[in-house]
Amino acid sequence: DTEVTQTPKHLVMGMTNKKSLKCEQHMGHRAMYWYKQKAKKPPELMFVYSYEKLSINESVPSRFSPECPNSSLLNLHLHALQPEDSALYLCASSRIVPGQGQGTEAFFGQGTRLTVV
Amino acid sequence: AQSVAQPEDQVNVAEGNPLTVKCTYSVSGNPYLFWYVQYPNRGLQFLLKYITGDNLVKGSYGFEAEFNKSQTSFHLKKPSALVSDSALYFCAVRDMRTGGFKTIFGAGTRLFVKA
Repeated sequence: DTEVTQTPKHLVMGMTNKKSLKCEQHMGHRAMYWYKQKAKKPPELMFVYSYEKLSINESVPSRFSPECPNSSLLNLHLHALQPEDSALYLCASSRIVPGQGQGTEAFFGQGTRLTVV
Repeated sequence: AQSVAQPEDQVNVAEGNPLTVKCTYSVSGNPYLFWYVQYPNRGLQFLLKYITGDNLVKGSYGFEAEFNKSQTSFHLKKPSALVSDSALYFCAVRDMRTGGFKTIFGAGTRLFVKA
């Protein structure tokens, strides 16, 4: 299984709603990532988890709250979002290879297309 | 600073012709370089990577890339383009200053292959 599965594929939410994005992988990868991608732009890193611990937070607003319940799952909790948060949210995972400085490729999910109204 | 540059927003090529998508990099230390492809409304797919070893790297779907240290380039190539290769291509480098967990992407190059 070389897939990263993201649910839902599409999400429309109001600015007062609370919702969650989910991501799952069964490749045994111990690094998991959330990215935000605007149309025709490269992905922007939001969060990195390594060994289920938050290792990088790219100064993301607190209305985005990540969670890594176990080594296969990654969630992104959303609350009080703004219309400018509308984007494609991508989850990714990769192996951690000690001594190789993370020279490993990332596997991406298909993304959740989020629209904030 | 670690960075990658993709100088072309768009590349147009006729089906059956060779294609090249350009990438240059700026890193301190050894570069860990990647190419990813993104089809519309999809996530990124890994094509190939250079970590060490041979300068010519072969990847998925017939793509290859040549690592050139003196020119700090890592151009993506394919001998014969297909219409189905039309997509958005990203060159990327691992930022080793953060333990390698952060990937820095180029701006992307849109490839159009015309039948």
